[in-house]
Amino acid sequence: DAKTTQPPSMDCAEGRAANLPCNHSTISGNEYVYWYRQIHSQGPQYIIHGLKNNETNEMASLIITEDRKSSTLILPHATLRDTAVYYCIVSSGYSTLTFGKGTMLLVSP
Amino acid sequence: SQTIHQWPATLVQPVGSPLSLECTVEGTSNPNLYWYRQAAGRGLQLLFYSVGIGQISSEVPQNLSASRPQDRQFILSSKKLLLSDSGFYLCAWRNIGTGENYGYTFGSGTRLTVV
Repeated sequence: DAKTTQPPSMDCAEGRAANLPCNHSTISGNEYVYWYRQIHSQGPQYIIHGLKNNETNEMASLIITEDRKSSTLILPHATLRDTAVYYCIVSSGYSTLTFGKGTMLLVSP
Repeated sequence: SQTIHQWPATLVQPVGSPLSLECTVEGTSNPNLYWYRQAAGRGLQLLFYSVGIGQISSEVPQNLSASRPQDRQFILSSKKLLLSDSGFYLCAWRNIGTGENYGYTFGSGTRLTVV
């Protein structure tokens, strides 16, 4: 079973920030939080990952709570091309990734 | 730069026929390699992974097998396909670097329909 809980779906208006939550209350000290997304009929795409500190790259920002039991992926200015299923995964650096059902983000004009 | 190749992109095979899907990685050495399957309307399921030539770990018992004859080549096979083998097959690679934790890079996938 996946170790994370995500809402099944979310909506966002184009140009607005999309904030995708993830609960991982049983995360271990050596486990990272990874985010991937899968656009329809394509392979998953790596977005970002973090351990304790907040992280930012050209695609998104990752905010991890101090107790590490939850996190939020932020797409600062969502576009129609960001419509996808977003997966939050916790994993140590050397173990395999287990994908859950993710959150279907629909970005509308 | 590193790239991952999967082929074919789509495949229609009759029940009972054999299967061979190939995945190759360029621009890296000694990667961890993975085969995932996504059945229609369902999540990604890890089928096999390999940490080196000839080393295969199976995550679920099934009608499929995997082999890694070369460092950057990963093959998914079946002797006799079942209808339940239909799905979207994805190959991925990852470099386990020292002091860093790299994400997976996925190929573009093979959509297999068993008829």
